[in-house]
Amino acid sequence: QSALTQPASVSGSPGQSITISCTGTSSDVGGYNYVSWYQQHPGKAPKLMIFDVGNRPSGVSDRFSGSKSGDTASLTISGLQAEDEADYYCSSYTGRSTLVVFGGGTKLTVL
Amino acid sequence: QVTLRESGPALVMPTQTLTLTCAFSGFSLSTNGMCVTWIRQPPGKAPEWLARIDWDGDKYYNTSLRTRLTISKDSSERQVVLTMTNMHPVDTATYYCARNFYGKYYHDYWGQGALVTVSS
Repeated sequence: QSALTQPASVSGSPGQSITISCTGTSSDVGGYNYVSWYQQHPGKAPKLMIFDVGNRPSGVSDRFSGSKSGDTASLTISGLQAEDEADYYCSSYTGRSTLVVFGGGTKLTVL
Repeated sequence: QVTLRESGPALVMPTQTLTLTCAFSGFSLSTNGMCVTWIRQPPGKAPEWLARIDWDGDKYYNTSLRTRLTISKDSSERQVVLTMTNMHPVDTATYYCARNFYGKYYHDYWGQGALVTVSS
């Protein structure tokens, strides 16, 4: 069982917006602004999409945005495109010896 | 250009020790603040953080696997080795190494991964 809870699946049509939630506790998501989001296509390594809650690495589309409220972080993808179909994982710093925990992942389907 | 590449056996027998090497370029572990992390992902499941080694030699381990894991870096500062003892079939996963920075908890570059199957 993953430490962070994500919905198993979300879907949307091209052009629409979707939001994926990532719920933790005050000891991880809620306690630090160190939430990251990764996109993973089948057979590929995860790709960093958002770091430190709401920051985008260079080269990542501004259609991807992140936020946090309390113990829940969110990834929003606007203007859905077919290429966005992938698995998405959140992660957070824990402040413990196991420095980072991941969410269980959300499969995004673009209808 | 930052690249990382994992190498090691594709098949390991139960109870054996796994040794994986991460060779990287485009950065050096001798640089202040640089870190390399190992992360694994069982087929169809979420990633799991395993261990991290910092430029200054500090090491961090997943608490639940601490007794089985050892992370180290070689003198070139461009390779990191992970050993995991007493391998079980549940350890079957793709093992990734990734770069990150001290005081930061995201991984900006990942290797392509090495699939390790534990089976007799």
